[in-house]
Amino acid sequence: GAVVSQHPSRVICKSGTSVKIECRSLDFQATTMFWYRQFPKKSLMLMATSNEGSKATYEQGVEKDKFLINHASLTLSTLTVTSAHPEDSSFYICSAWDRVKYEQYFGPGTRLTVT
Amino acid sequence: DAKTTQPTSMDCAEGRAANLPCNHSTISGNEYVYWYRQIHSQGPQYIIHGLKNNETNEMASLIITEDRKSSTLILPHATLRDTAVYYCIVRVGGGNNRKLIWGLGTSLAVNP
Repeated sequence: GAVVSQHPSRVICKSGTSVKIECRSLDFQATTMFWYRQFPKKSLMLMATSNEGSKATYEQGVEKDKFLINHASLTLSTLTVTSAHPEDSSFYICSAWDRVKYEQYFGPGTRLTVT
Repeated sequence: DAKTTQPTSMDCAEGRAANLPCNHSTISGNEYVYWYRQIHSQGPQYIIHGLKNNETNEMASLIITEDRKSSTLILPHATLRDTAVYYCIVRVGGGNNRKLIWGLGTSLAVNP
């Protein structure tokens, strides 16, 4: 099946610094990618929808200036958590829409810990 | 809010069939039912999806009622590696808007 990768898988950063997470679709082109956040024992919460070549669409309550999304190519979207704080510690998951197979594939997730 | 309701947890004996129910009574005519699972600390894994006909693939079978208000995911011979949280989701929107609204899912424990 299609593969979506994320890098890094785990990151620990200090409060106030910024962290970039990459999401790549490895064998298909993804015009649309999604970013989710998941807290322990909770379900996935959609943060934003990223469309190649245009601005991301953020869900209500998600600060676009804090969670910067760039979808510059058909295989790469990045999420930058700016000025991270301990409450940003979470499991961040991306997914990519395969318009040929009409399916959505998920990355393995990135565990962010802000100290 | 999620448009589906699922039992919080279920148990199944290894080697037996696991039948996971899902209610989606407000589903629209053009909405698909998707099933994903998530093993601890991993990203969700696609299992199967359907519109109104029953579907089968190498992982599972999906049985959708005639009125489409509920469905059942069947893992025919559950193994220990099938222990995971299983999410039943209806897909909203069209075009580039393919948001998946996630509920809490069913935590399936496959026991030896």
